[in-house]
Amino acid sequence: DAGVIQSPRHEVTEMGQEVTLRCKPISGHDYLFWYRQTMMRGLELLIYFNNNVPIDDSGMPEDRFSAKMPNASFSTLKIQPSEPRDSAVYFCASTLLGGSGNTIYFGEGSWLTVV
Amino acid sequence: AQSVTQPDIHITVSEGASLELRCNYSYGATPYLFWYVQSPGQGLQLLLKYFSGDTLVQGIKGFEAEFKRSQSSFNLRKPSVHWSDAAEYFCAVGARNTGNQFYFGTGTSLTVIP
Repeated sequence: DAGVIQSPRHEVTEMGQEVTLRCKPISGHDYLFWYRQTMMRGLELLIYFNNNVPIDDSGMPEDRFSAKMPNASFSTLKIQPSEPRDSAVYFCASTLLGGSGNTIYFGEGSWLTVV
Repeated sequence: AQSVTQPDIHITVSEGASLELRCNYSYGATPYLFWYVQSPGQGLQLLLKYFSGDTLVQGIKGFEAEFKRSQSSFNLRKPSVHWSDAAEYFCAVGARNTGNQFYFGTGTSLTVIP
């Protein structure tokens, strides 16, 4: 299995620009998660989907953040406009309910720097 | 409320020494328990997990963890640490019946000195 695939791995952008992060979950998984990791706040759950439907977006920091999952094999996290405080590592993860004890599998992350 | 506590923010050990990373959880029922490792610049890799049965579980890279229900703990151990074990370690607890309730500790950073 290819695992969770994220792109881009690294992005540097200027404040005010739109950023789109992409994720391909493990085939057959029915939950997809977006996490943000910073030194100050650790791992934060931003939003998660079940069968492509957003279930809980209470972790999304503000309206500048949006996430979509148009099909079972693709999700995006968009930041518009980006700000320097959005600099972080963004992880996508997926799991299958009832499979392997709900083990969450992580992608390698998208390292975002907003200057 | 559900939570995971890793009381040690940073630990330094000598190569070849034994290691124990602490993890305590608060959960309303018997949870699934996990340890993940994150090497610099990498994502989180699953080390081991506990679902049920034997409370001592073996993982990859020579790690093991013991679930102690009475202490609400799931400490990670390794008898002899290698320099390549230097990384960030995260304990996590997950629900048994949904995929969404998954809580991470704040992590323990491990430094290994020669």
